[in-house]
Amino acid sequence: GENVEQHPSTLSVQEGDSAVIKCTYSDSASNYFPWYKQELGKRPQLIIDIRSNVGEKKDQRIAVTLNKTAKHFSLHITETQPEDSAVYFCAASLSGGYNKLIFGAGTRLAVHP
Amino acid sequence: SQTIHQWPATLVQPVGSPLSLECTVEGTSNPNLYWYRQAAGRGLQLLFYSVGIGQISSEVPQNLSASRPQDRQFILSSKKLLLSDSGFYLCAWNKGAETQYFGPGTRLLVL
Repeated sequence: GENVEQHPSTLSVQEGDSAVIKCTYSDSASNYFPWYKQELGKRPQLIIDIRSNVGEKKDQRIAVTLNKTAKHFSLHITETQPEDSAVYFCAASLSGGYNKLIFGAGTRLAVHP
Repeated sequence: SQTIHQWPATLVQPVGSPLSLECTVEGTSNPNLYWYRQAAGRGLQLLFYSVGIGQISSEVPQNLSASRPQDRQFILSSKKLLLSDSGFYLCAWNKGAETQYFGPGTRLLVL
């Protein structure tokens, strides 16, 4: 079946450093790629998304890049802050309708003061 | 604006007991609805989705079932819970676009 691989599974950075999380998807028909942030015990919250007709998108300290040829997309967080500590999930849309998403396994990001 | 509710927030149930979790969406009509399970420290597994009243699709064979008795209501059920049913159950919705928005979740512990 289709899948999304996400790396690394854990990431530890110092406050102010950058963090990069990478995902690879298998469904060549995927055309929508959201990123969610989940704080401990809370629901996943959408932080940024990108569609296949765009190569890069930025929102303040967060950016996402997409390489459709290689089926890779990445989340970049600059000037990390302790409140960025959370689990981040990437996802890719599935072909076949119904707006289904397939999620990566998650990356636990720890930002140390 | 749209909001999504889930209840109960937490639930502790004995093995073999029944289960009913409810999800409702406000502020929209005919949404797509989804049930996910998240085991401790793990990712999101899609269990069921629904595109309309009475229309349920199952993603994985399991001990659970889903129903959609009303347009904005989605219910997750089990007749007999297993230990492996423990987890964080999330309901999500979308409409007209792929972006899914999650409810606050129900934390289920089966003992």
